[in-house]
Amino acid sequence: GAGVSQSPSNKVTEKGKDVELRCDPISGHTALYWYRQSLGQGLEFLIYFQGNSAPDKSGLPSDRFSAERTGGSVSTLTIQRTQQEDSAVYLCASSLLGLAGIADTQYFGPGTRLTVL
Amino acid sequence: GESVGLHLPTLSVQEGDNSIINCAYSNSASDYFIWYKQESGKGPQFIIDIRSNMDKRQGQRVTVLLNKTVKHLSLQIAATQPGDSAVYFCAEIPKGSARQLTFGSGTQLTVLP
Repeated sequence: GAGVSQSPSNKVTEKGKDVELRCDPISGHTALYWYRQSLGQGLEFLIYFQGNSAPDKSGLPSDRFSAERTGGSVSTLTIQRTQQEDSAVYLCASSLLGLAGIADTQYFGPGTRLTVL
Repeated sequence: GESVGLHLPTLSVQEGDNSIINCAYSNSASDYFIWYKQESGKGPQFIIDIRSNMDKRQGQRVTVLLNKTVKHLSLQIAATQPGDSAVYFCAEIPKGSARQLTFGSGTQLTVLP
């Protein structure tokens, strides 16, 4: 079956503009995660959705960042008034359960490379 | 040394040799550990995992060793192949948490012909 897909693959924007990044998780996966990866760095957790529970937003770096997941499937990460330090690869992952105490594998999409000029 | 920008820790091995990539973690309450491989321009790909109640787990050409005493994790790749060239990094899930954390920027493995 299809894996996690993300769009666009690349996004170049001007400082101060808003951007929306999209993630289509694997069908049937109840958990969805957003991460940010700066050049040559590890993954930085941003936000996590699990089923109908309130999302864990503890990783969002500022109130310019928000995300939603509609219908328990597709997710959109929105960055308002983008800054140059927002430039990074934004990765989405999904997992079957995503429940505490149950370790299930996260499957990653190819990422969206965001460049803020 | 510390990784800044593009300067990832690197490991170069000859094709056919074994590779050992190391990872240190700080959370003694971590319950589950995962190794990922990330090729250039792609998202991380699951390689192998291990629970905290184990100290060794083997997969196809890969072995993960966990030393909880010193909070150290290693990934061994047998008979390294050119296709193994990638960045490898470990992640952990603490007890009671469903989301993952990662350690550092990973290790760049380069397989020499």
